[in-house]
Amino acid sequence: GAGVSQSPSNKVTEKGKDVELRCDPISGHTALYWYRQSLGQGLEFLIYFQGNSAPDKSGLPSDRFSAERTGGSVSTLTIQRTQQEDSAVYLCASSLRGGGSTDTQYFGPGTRLTVL
Amino acid sequence: AQTVTQSQPEMSVQEAETVTLSCTYDTSESDYYLFWYKQPPSRQMILVIRQEAYKQQNATENRFSVNFQKAAKSFSLKISDSQLGDAAMYFCAYRSFPQGAQKLVFGQGTRLTINP
Repeated sequence: GAGVSQSPSNKVTEKGKDVELRCDPISGHTALYWYRQSLGQGLEFLIYFQGNSAPDKSGLPSDRFSAERTGGSVSTLTIQRTQQEDSAVYLCASSLRGGGSTDTQYFGPGTRLTVL
Repeated sequence: AQTVTQSQPEMSVQEAETVTLSCTYDTSESDYYLFWYKQPPSRQMILVIRQEAYKQQNATENRFSVNFQKAAKSFSLKISDSQLGDAAMYFCAYRSFPQGAQKLVFGQGTRLTINP
């Protein structure tokens, strides 16, 4: 079946604007993750959704960042009042169960965000 | 908190030869999972190999194998018979056992170049 998809592929925005990044996980996967890949910080975890449980938001860098997952499927990562340091590639991943020895996180191609 | 360190920012190898990428990690947990992911220029992270910490046997996947030294907290990746398609960024990653956080903790990555 189809893999994890993300849109847009690239996004250029002006400082201070809000942006929304979308992730479509693999059908049937109950767990969804957002990561950020930037030159200075490497790959860092942002947020994790598992089924109907409260999300793990421990990686969100500030209250300008938020995410939701509607109907247990599509997720949107929102960044308000973007700053230049938000420029990065935002990667989404999904997995079947969110745990267990054989549970694999499958990644999407990412959204490259550039804040001017 | 767990940390993952990749001390080789860049590596290169001649096609058909063998190369080893290093990874060390720090954790106080006794059970966990370790992974190597490959990220080609397309940005999509691809799982190369996984290792469960409770298994003493080193994992292998075709030309890819690991040397897992639990006491030393070392997890190196060996690529045999290197191919041009192996050129990519390689990330070592850690994940807690199911009862813990399910996020992946990544190293800084090693850029692998294959010389024809």
